[in-house]
Amino acid sequence: EDKVVQSPLSLVVHEGDTVTLNCSYEVTNFRSLLWYKQEKKAPTFLFMLTSSGIEKKSGRLSSILDKKELFSILNITATQTGDSAIYLCAVEALYGNNRLAFGKGNQVVVIP
Amino acid sequence: NAGVTQTPKFRILKIGQSMTLQCTQDMNHNYMYWYRQDPGMGLKLIYYSVGAGITDKGEVPNGYNVSRSTTEDFPLRLELAAPSQTSVYFCASSYVRDGRQYFGPGTRLTVT
Repeated sequence: EDKVVQSPLSLVVHEGDTVTLNCSYEVTNFRSLLWYKQEKKAPTFLFMLTSSGIEKKSGRLSSILDKKELFSILNITATQTGDSAIYLCAVEALYGNNRLAFGKGNQVVVIP
Repeated sequence: NAGVTQTPKFRILKIGQSMTLQCTQDMNHNYMYWYRQDPGMGLKLIYYSVGAGITDKGEVPNGYNVSRSTTEDFPLRLELAAPSQTSVYFCASSYVRDGRQYFGPGTRLTVT
């Protein structure tokens, strides 16, 4: 069974801080790892990672994958209150019909 | 292009009642999914479909049924509602060979 473990489950930071979220996984025949952001509604796609060591970046958010050590990191720099959300990590296996196994999420609260 | 739409947004059911959660996508995606999300638990896959007429169980299928008569629609049926089915339900869809899933806005269901 595919397994995704995220840490920390919850954190509170001040605006301007940098946040590092961790996602470790176990999956047979890994295909990709995805990060989603969930505010008080549907998850929205952030990144898909398939190769080790290649950083994906979007504004103040960036993510990297380590396929040898089976983990990914999502970084948020210069945090803003709008970054308050649950960040979900999911993994996809080959031949899995695009099914995703999700972790419990990292709840981030950014206070002014 | 509305993406993935779900109805209703909210519903309260009495124990033993039945209902159908509707999901429609207009992106011509072959793959569709139903998840439930309980507080602090990430997303759990209930059922999924790889095309019209084809459905399969996910991680937590008990108490639910699905059908897929068209590419666009993927309704989820709850028979004999139980308090354990109180949750937020998300429908999602994806292209073949692209792990990114696009989520609907969710249905918040309470069974009392």
